[in-house]
Amino acid sequence: AQSVAQPEDQVNVAEGNPLTVKCTYSVSGNPYLFWYVQYPNRGLQFLLKYITGDNLVKGSYGFEAEFNKSQTSFHLKKPSALVSDSALYFCAVRPTGNTPLVFGKGTRLSVIA
Amino acid sequence: DAGVIQSPRHEVTEMGQEVTLRCKPISGHDYLFWYRQTMMRGLELLIYFNNNVPIDDSGMPEDRFSAKMPNASFSTLKIQPSEPRDSAVYFCASSLLGQETQYFGPGTRLLVL
Repeated sequence: AQSVAQPEDQVNVAEGNPLTVKCTYSVSGNPYLFWYVQYPNRGLQFLLKYITGDNLVKGSYGFEAEFNKSQTSFHLKKPSALVSDSALYFCAVRPTGNTPLVFGKGTRLSVIA
Repeated sequence: DAGVIQSPRHEVTEMGQEVTLRCKPISGHDYLFWYRQTMMRGLELLIYFNNNVPIDDSGMPEDRFSAKMPNASFSTLKIQPSEPRDSAVYFCASSLLGQETQYFGPGTRLLVL
């Protein structure tokens, strides 16, 4: 079965420090991978996606993610965290074909000033 | 572009009442998704449509839930009768075939007393 795991419910980081939000996936074939962010009382916003090509994907607000096929991971990173990055982050995978996204449970990121 | 529009944004009702949530997808998008988000269960896919036709409703929790898409620009999710355990945030999302990104509405926060 297709699945996505976000092993951390909560990540705390000091402002200005690098941040990493982890995601691993289990899917047959070549997956499409996504990160979404949800700010309080808002819908999910698309951050970035990996379809094919360069394993390092750059997205909105200075975020990037690295696709690692051997480790089946797609970790979200940012070199220098901002307090405004505090939000709920979702990793998602779309198995090949016209199938819906499968979302992880989300990781709450808190950036402390 | 106005994005995905959902109404109402907030709904408070009493157990046993009928609740209707509404969604207007992004113009031209041919996929529409309904999700439910709770603290306990995270983000769950309830049902999705392609070209107004329901493709997979296996996520609909019970017969009390029903969804329709009478045309390309409108969909409803109905709960009848509502129960306190239906309290959640309900999201609608849309996407375009061949473009993998789903775009989410702001959600409807439902509270059933």
